[in-house]
Amino acid sequence: QKEVEQNSGPLSVPEGAIASLNCTYSDRGSQSFFWYRQYSGKSPELIMSIYSNGDKEDGRFTAQLNKASQYVSLLIRDSQPSDSATYLCAVTMGDYKLSFGAGTTVTVRA
Amino acid sequence: EAGVAQSPRYKIIEKRQSVAFWCNPISGHATLYWYQQILGQGPKLLIQFQNNGVVDDSQLPKDRFSAERLKGVDSTLKIQPAKLEDSAVYLCASSSGQGANTEAFFGQGTRLTVV
Repeated sequence: QKEVEQNSGPLSVPEGAIASLNCTYSDRGSQSFFWYRQYSGKSPELIMSIYSNGDKEDGRFTAQLNKASQYVSLLIRDSQPSDSATYLCAVTMGDYKLSFGAGTTVTVRA
Repeated sequence: EAGVAQSPRYKIIEKRQSVAFWCNPISGHATLYWYQQILGQGPKLLIQFQNNGVVDDSQLPKDRFSAERLKGVDSTLKIQPAKLEDSAVYLCASSSGQGANTEAFFGQGTRLTVV
């Protein structure tokens, strides 16, 4: 079982729609959860962090965490062409090891 | 605040040659990570340092890869000898805290091509 798994892409959404990205993790002791955005040819950029169950909103981004289900998600509201990128889910495992999923590529159609 | 610095940005070598990458983390950051990212995949953790001690190197191919972090600041990652499958982007990241609730920031990466 992979440590961090993301829903397979690519995901194509029309401009203005909501993009929904999902991630599950294997270590029940994980404490910290992050979403990174990576444009083609660039390094990952941190866009959201979440540490407790529930929702966390930052602008058009909402992260949701459910530790009982070992599930974390990212919603992008009012998607813009500039949101087209690969989104990486990252989880800090019990020994503080930071592990990444394979990423989901999002394309926003104008 | 300066970000994570990496050099070189690009490197092309022949198989069986050696190569070294350098990383300077954000000032004051105790944790430093080296990741390998193959095209189309997520970053794979090679080694994680806490100050100058190794926290995790379980996925580091120790027969050819080595890494050190001198005085708990700068770090170098070396590959010797390189194989074709080592072609990837090598990313360095750093974070500030010693606990789990810390955010990691990446450098620009070094793109390695082995021919």
